[in-house]
Amino acid sequence: QVQLVQSGAEVKKPGASVKVSCKTSGYTFTKYTLHWVRQAPGHSLEWMGWINTGNGTTKYLQRFQGRVTITRDTSASTVDMELSSLTSEDTAVYYCARDQRYCSATTCYSMFVFDYWGQGTLVTVSS
Amino acid sequence: DIQMTQSPSTLSASVGDRVTITCRASQTISKWLAWYQQKPGKAPKLLIYKTSNLENGVPSRFSGGGSGTGFTLTISSLQPDDFATYYCQQYHSYPQTFGQGTKVEIK
Repeated sequence: QVQLVQSGAEVKKPGASVKVSCKTSGYTFTKYTLHWVRQAPGHSLEWMGWINTGNGTTKYLQRFQGRVTITRDTSASTVDMELSSLTSEDTAVYYCARDQRYCSATTCYSMFVFDYWGQGTLVTVSS
Repeated sequence: DIQMTQSPSTLSASVGDRVTITCRASQTISKWLAWYQQKPGKAPKLLIYKTSNLENGVPSRFSGGGSGTGFTLTISSLQPDDFATYYCQQYHSYPQTFGQGTKVEIK
């Protein structure tokens, strides 16, 4: 079965960086785009960026541009998300999520709908 | 960015009630709308995509409708497992955005 398992909770000081890992299994890793979505305490969901796990292409929400980096390791079926220059506003649960993907007779498309999610990783930024 | 507004923010209901949540987009998104259910401390779960398509394994008491800028999620007969927070998400335009959530609580 499809599984996305994330690394454990982190506590960081302001200005530091954090890297969250997402290990996938149960499907062909390189066929599905992976996204990162975060949720601050008591708030809604915010999409941060995605990575094409086949070719490594990434796209980030503009307000995170320059601060977030998403990478993948195809041999380990793992995606990492690193966020730098942390502030208290970055305190949140970070989720990886698989793109649903739609396939026609000839090609497949990312749908930007999230059908499987990791369990979430709490990142706390505090001095 | 497209703004997604859900109403109500909180809904109190009883087991067996028919419940409807509304999601409104700040501009047209055709039918590119999804609904998620989230329970405390858990990741969101995809319920419905493309306005009305039920994800595999989702009970048929859930249904979605609408188009353009107005959408609904209906639970035909609320079950104990359905008390949760529900989010809509548009994926018509970059960046995909979520509503603020509707909490369905026990009356």
